[in-house]
Amino acid sequence: EVQLVESGGGLVQPGGSLRLSCAASGFTFSDHYMDWVRQAPGKGLEWVGRSRNKANSYMTEYAASVKGRFTTSRDGSKNSLYLQMNSLKTEDTAVYYCAREGVGAMRLAFDIWGQGTMVTVSS
Amino acid sequence: QSALTQPRSVSGSPGQSVTISCTGTSSDVGGYNYVSWYQQHPGKAPKVMIYDVNKRPSGVPDRFSGSKSGNTASLTISGLQAEDEADYYCCSYAGSYPWVFGGGTKLTVL
Repeated sequence: EVQLVESGGGLVQPGGSLRLSCAASGFTFSDHYMDWVRQAPGKGLEWVGRSRNKANSYMTEYAASVKGRFTTSRDGSKNSLYLQMNSLKTEDTAVYYCAREGVGAMRLAFDIWGQGTMVTVSS
Repeated sequence: QSALTQPRSVSGSPGQSVTISCTGTSSDVGGYNYVSWYQQHPGKAPKVMIYDVNKRPSGVPDRFSGSKSGNTASLTISGLQAEDEADYYCCSYAGSYPWVFGGGTKLTVL
């Protein structure tokens, strides 16, 4: 079964750090672009960052709101995607989803989503 | 990159049709045929309903359809059913950015 499972969320103080994980299974992880999308409480979806696939050297891209503070990476041996979040702000409070971009016909859409992990930034 | 503009809410009775609009710019919606739509029930992850403006993934009912004209994309749901009540988000590829979402629309089935 194709699946994404996030973990690592929790409560952190402003200025602190947190590392989220996304475990992928059921597909060839290296073939896909992988993204982080977040959703603040009661708000809409916001794209956070992206890790391109192996063919594109796992190049990363970030939203302006997190650039310089967040870093996404992969461990191919564990089929896992990570989001290292530093210098956290209260406005980073959200559910963080890991999402897979498709290949072939659905290359430019998010075809699989994880269940999300909640990050709360508060003193 | 600004969020795409969607109506905050729409509603319809069972069996009726509703259309949700999604307005962007020539840098996103108008510039690419890569608009997708996501359905999100409360407390659940989003699910893709439409991709590449008007294509349906396998398993999505043909009651869901998409279109685009200029900088505005639309999602139409015909033959409304109770289980269609959810939040709907549009998303467009935006080139170097690369993704921008709409603010979301709450669909109420009366």
